[in-house]
Amino acid sequence: DAKTTQPNSMESNEEEPVHLPCNHSTISGTDYIHWYRQLPSQGPEYVIHGLTSNVNNRMASLAIAEDRKSSTLILHRATLRDAAVYYCILTGGGSNDYKLSFGAGTTVTVRA
Amino acid sequence: DAGVIQSPRHEVTEMGQEVTLRCKPISGHDYLFWYRQTMMRGLELLIYFNNNVPIDDSGMPEDRFSAKMPNASFSTLKIQPSEPRDSAVYFCASSPWDLRTGQPQHFGDGTRLSIL
Repeated sequence: DAKTTQPNSMESNEEEPVHLPCNHSTISGTDYIHWYRQLPSQGPEYVIHGLTSNVNNRMASLAIAEDRKSSTLILHRATLRDAAVYYCILTGGGSNDYKLSFGAGTTVTVRA
Repeated sequence: DAGVIQSPRHEVTEMGQEVTLRCKPISGHDYLFWYRQTMMRGLELLIYFNNNVPIDDSGMPEDRFSAKMPNASFSTLKIQPSEPRDSAVYFCASSPWDLRTGQPQHFGDGTRLSIL
């Protein structure tokens, strides 16, 4: 299975951008890059996903390196509600095509 | 739109008792997944269904665990007999297609299970 590597934790101030890195050097050509987050006492929540091109949605932006071996989730203006564990997961193609394999993720703390 | 609905939200029971967790997936979703989350092991996939048929149950810990999906709008995860080490948060998720197409999974809020 293609693996991902994320920092254990990151801190941010409210209203500032947050850049969450993810390394996936063994990604295959058909693997999608998914980001989920889990707020305290809730189930994981889909944030964004992409294949090759950068992606934007109402929650965040996903910047994918040209060689696809790394990606960055960007929260443009962090709010207290964005404090959560963020998971970077590869799916499809060369990875398990149905299983979301959650690692330890990055714990994001937002300071008021 | 209603999301994935799980019940109960919390369950506390004594060792040896039968436990039944319930899940209603999002209407129209063909895939249903059961996950378990513990501090030690994180989030693990237990079993998943496609069109009500179990496809992969390799994550089910042992024979005490069973899951069924009698129709497209309902699934159960049963533990009999329950043991303290089964204490965890159990999540149900559904998806319209499999992840090869990049489709996200939608999770319920989970059932927090405590076996005394």
